[in-house]
Amino acid sequence: GAVVSQHPSWVICKSGTSVKIECRSLDFQATTMFWYRQFPKQSLMLMATSNEGSKATYEQGVEKDKFLINHASLTLSTLTVTSAHPEDSSFYICSARDSPSGTGDTQYFGPGTRLTVL
Amino acid sequence: AQKVTQAQTEISVVEKEDVTLDCVYETRDTTYYLFWYKQPPSGELVFLIRRNSFDEQNEISGRYSWNFQKSTSSFNFTITASQVVDSAVYFCARGTSYGKLTFGQGTILTVHP
Repeated sequence: GAVVSQHPSWVICKSGTSVKIECRSLDFQATTMFWYRQFPKQSLMLMATSNEGSKATYEQGVEKDKFLINHASLTLSTLTVTSAHPEDSSFYICSARDSPSGTGDTQYFGPGTRLTVL
Repeated sequence: AQKVTQAQTEISVVEKEDVTLDCVYETRDTTYYLFWYKQPPSGELVFLIRRNSFDEQNEISGRYSWNFQKSTSSFNFTITASQVVDSAVYFCARGTSYGKLTFGQGTILTVHP
């Protein structure tokens, strides 16, 4: 149980294009999903917290207009990197939790999406 | 910012050696959660353990064991009789009641045959 999938697993795009990454909880309903970015040989940095049916909460320094997050259902959240540039190349990882806020339950992570912007 | 510090950037051991990965965290919260995750070369994070701040009981799971010491804000992870398949990056993380995780820098563990 507690499986989270991401699609695509890797994507290469040209500078200036937009890329959409999907994160799905396959066997549970995720009230909250999180988006992280990981540069090579570095740690995971939280980008935003996504709650179903409401606007995402972005971490300081993350441009909300560049990284659009939509959490339209209890099993799907999407991250769209708009007008991508080479510096946006990174490993993007989502996670999902199934418990209501306040219980700190475990997050389950997706396999990640490797984005390369040429 | 409340940091999580993993002092060892890289550790290299020979198979069957025991190895301990250190983790020290900062927090102002009374209630918090501590985690260890494994990230193999494939990139997918594998959940290993979750501990809440009120439970200082140490835990053993097979070759893995964890030592939580609130007095020193540490949550160390020991692998006994290491194996080549244990080679990965290991992350310690601290979580809030609302699920927000702060990760340490990670420790690259290499186990040589």
